[in-house]
Amino acid sequence: GAGVSQSPRYKVAKRGQDVALRCDPISGHVSLFWYQQALGQGPEFLTYFQNEAQLDKSGLPSDRFFAERPEGSVSTLKIQRTQQEDSAVYLCASSLPSGGQGEQFFGPGTRLTVL
Amino acid sequence: GIQVEQSPPDLILQEGANSTLRCNFSDSVNNLQWFHQNPWGQLINLFYIPSGTKQNGRLSATTVATERYSLLYISSSQTTDSGVYFCAVWFYKYIFGTGTRLKVLA
Repeated sequence: GAGVSQSPRYKVAKRGQDVALRCDPISGHVSLFWYQQALGQGPEFLTYFQNEAQLDKSGLPSDRFFAERPEGSVSTLKIQRTQQEDSAVYLCASSLPSGGQGEQFFGPGTRLTVL
Repeated sequence: GIQVEQSPPDLILQEGANSTLRCNFSDSVNNLQWFHQNPWGQLINLFYIPSGTKQNGRLSATTVATERYSLLYISSSQTTDSGVYFCAVWFYKYIFGTGTRLKVLA
């Protein structure tokens, strides 16, 4: 596709449910990032992949959050046993070069609401 | 860790006015991007500007990395410029600034 896509666009979960959020980066982009954006705040870094290797997961808020990119393209962010504080927009970005510091392109985000 | 501050936090303009948004960062960085987050939440790339000056239509940006700041200029503002403007700096990962919320009135 022409840009980064994310699915679903909206997700409502009951507290305690597991959710999986998908990101399709721009074809050929080596680096992939996940961010969390709370209402009225800027995006906050969660994790970074270079191809299939997860090089930085320092931003994941708890061990309930898990991300993978097994074939170096599509990535999934999984949240187990969701809590109300997990409600936010989850953004995915990709960039072409390795090293992570190239120009990032963002998807439309997934808005997660935990009831 | 590195601090990324943007000013002003909020800005209201009449259509046609010019404005300057500022991004200050507390440590040396390798790269910097400016984004516009539209009212639907999409982050739109404006500039990828580690240093120097770039222009794109009514928008231009200047980064002075040695003095740890970047400026975004918007000229002849339009209502479609409304939204939140973020800078993001690369410091082992991308760190976003606090944002400037812009509203342009018709």
